[in-house]
Amino acid sequence: SQTIHQWPATLVQPVGSPLSLECTVEGTSNPNLYWYRQAAGRGLQLLFYSVGIGQISSEVPQNLSASRPQDRQFILSSKKLLLSDSGFYLCAWSVGTAGTQYFGPGTRLLVL
Amino acid sequence: EDQVTQSPEALRLQEGESSSLNCSYTVSGLRGLFWYRQDPGKGPEFLFTLYSAGEEKEKERLKATLTKKESFLHITAPKPEDSATYLCAATSYTGANSKLTFGKGITLSVRP
Repeated sequence: SQTIHQWPATLVQPVGSPLSLECTVEGTSNPNLYWYRQAAGRGLQLLFYSVGIGQISSEVPQNLSASRPQDRQFILSSKKLLLSDSGFYLCAWSVGTAGTQYFGPGTRLLVL
Repeated sequence: EDQVTQSPEALRLQEGESSSLNCSYTVSGLRGLFWYRQDPGKGPEFLFTLYSAGEEKEKERLKATLTKKESFLHITAPKPEDSATYLCAATSYTGANSKLTFGKGITLSVRP
């Protein structure tokens, strides 16, 4: 069966520090991968998606970036965090572009 | 632009009191309508996918239905463990890759 992992589970970072969140998927090949941010009182916001290694599409202009160095690994990064980057970050995967998306456990990021 | 609206924002039920959660959508050619359950501090858990008007799916005390403009999540004789936030999302045929548009969710509390 397929499993999706995210780490760390919780992160507290100062403003201006770098960020690296990692997501890995097991049990499937060539998945579509997604990064979402969920803020209190707002719906899930799609940040990035990837259909293959090295292929990244950005949905929202911001100081975040994403990379996909391996088939089942998706990384969310920032060179300098802003207060507004605080939130709950979720990684998801799907088979194909129309398949159901399955979510990971999430990373809670607090920028102080 | 695709839009998904969920109502009410919050719902409090007595154990055993059946009710329905509403999801209204406006998308350019519906490709799929998804329901997820999200517990506090966790990632969304997939419940159902509906593809065409008239389709229904059931799982335990939950039944999801779909019309051309709305989807309903019916909860029959709910139990306290059904307390969670229920998210609705829609994807359309526009664009090369399906993008999920999420509603803000409905927070359900079931009192014993």
